[in-house]
Amino acid sequence: GENVEQHPSTLSVQEGDSAVIKCTYSDSASNYFPWYKQELGKRPQLIIDIRSNVGEKKDQRIAVTLNKTAKHFSLHITETQPEDSAVYFCAASTGTGANNLFFGTGTRLTVIP
Amino acid sequence: DSGVTQTPKHLITATGQRVTLRCSPRSGDLSVYWYQQSLDQGLQFLIQYYNGEERAKGNILERFSAQQFPDLHSELNLSSLELGDSALYFCASSPQTSGGETQYFGPGTRLLVL
Repeated sequence: GENVEQHPSTLSVQEGDSAVIKCTYSDSASNYFPWYKQELGKRPQLIIDIRSNVGEKKDQRIAVTLNKTAKHFSLHITETQPEDSAVYFCAASTGTGANNLFFGTGTRLTVIP
Repeated sequence: DSGVTQTPKHLITATGQRVTLRCSPRSGDLSVYWYQQSLDQGLQFLIQYYNGEERAKGNILERFSAQQFPDLHSELNLSSLELGDSALYFCASSPQTSGGETQYFGPGTRLLVL
């Protein structure tokens, strides 16, 4: 099955700096890559996603890039704010008749005011 | 609010017991997914149902079972509970079961096995 690796496990940045989280996946059939933000004790919330026919997608301060050849994708957060502090999960889905997500192990992002 | 509801929010029970977690998907969504989140295992896919039928199975223990009812709500049954089953259990829903569909997560049920 699919194996998703995520790095780093923890990341601290100064407010206003950029943060980058990287994920790799193993199954070349994976074609959907969402990113979720999870605050302590809360549900994962989708913040951005990308499909395999697109190389980059941006939504205000958040962007995701995908390199299908290398099987890796990254989350970029610019102009970080304290409210960006949370755990971020990447995920991958093959979508072959099923849509279940394989998650990375998470990155705890701390934005220091 | 994602539109996905889960009950109960918290459950405290003893080893060897059986519990049932309930999930109602967003209006119109046919697929329901169950995930387990524990400190050492992260977010793991357990099982998916689509329009009443089992669609995909992940790392779900034989002591666990699920079903989706005609009104599309789903229940996850956990039996012969062990300390290691303590975790957050999330359900998510999506409209269909085709690849690349956004999944919306419910608020989760926190299970504590003592």
